[in-house]
Amino acid sequence: EVQLVESGGGLVQPGGSLRLSCAASGFTFSRYWMSWVRQAPGKGLEWVANIKEDGSEKYYVDSVKGRFTISRDNAKNSMYLQMNSLRAEDTAVYYCARAAITVTSYYYFMDVWGKGTTVTVSS
Amino acid sequence: DIQMTQSPSSLSASVGDRVTITCRASQGISSYLNWYQQKPGKAPKVLIFAASSLQSGVPSRFSGGGSGTDFTLTISSLQPEDFATYYCQQSYSVPWTFGQGTKMEIK
Repeated sequence: EVQLVESGGGLVQPGGSLRLSCAASGFTFSRYWMSWVRQAPGKGLEWVANIKEDGSEKYYVDSVKGRFTISRDNAKNSMYLQMNSLRAEDTAVYYCARAAITVTSYYYFMDVWGKGTTVTVSS
Repeated sequence: DIQMTQSPSSLSASVGDRVTITCRASQGISSYLNWYQQKPGKAPKVLIFAASSLQSGVPSRFSGGGSGTDFTLTISSLQPEDFATYYCQQSYSVPWTFGQGTKMEIK
């Protein structure tokens, strides 16, 4: 079964750090771009970051640049999100997602999602 | 950044109704447009990718259309399990962006 499982969420004080993990199974992890998407309480979805199959390219939403780092370990079928200098506005459910690509025309879409892990930034 | 605007933000409809949600991009994005469904407390699920391609396993009552800046998601006959929030998302350029969502409620 194709599956993504996030872990590492919790309560952290403003300015603190947290490292999220995403464990993949049931597919060849090293062949896919991967993404982090978050959802603040009662709000919509916000894309956070992408990482290329081999980790050589990474992209971030402006609000997390310089504070968050996406990485992956293909030998462990895992992706990570290191979150530093956390702010109250980072409070959200964080989802990891697989970025599938169409065979022609390179259309990307997120076709497999984890259940999410909750990050709460509060004093 | 490309801004995605959905309309309406909420929609009240009945089982069996035909409904259409609209998504507009702030600039042309060709067909790099995806639609997701999210139910409360659950992860999003992709319904349509590349503007009009139905994801495997998704019922055929869902369909997508459009290209450039204007897109639609149509549900031909609403079923009880379709009451959820729907998001459009562009993958034309980073940062990938979502619409604000359309919450579909039972009339």
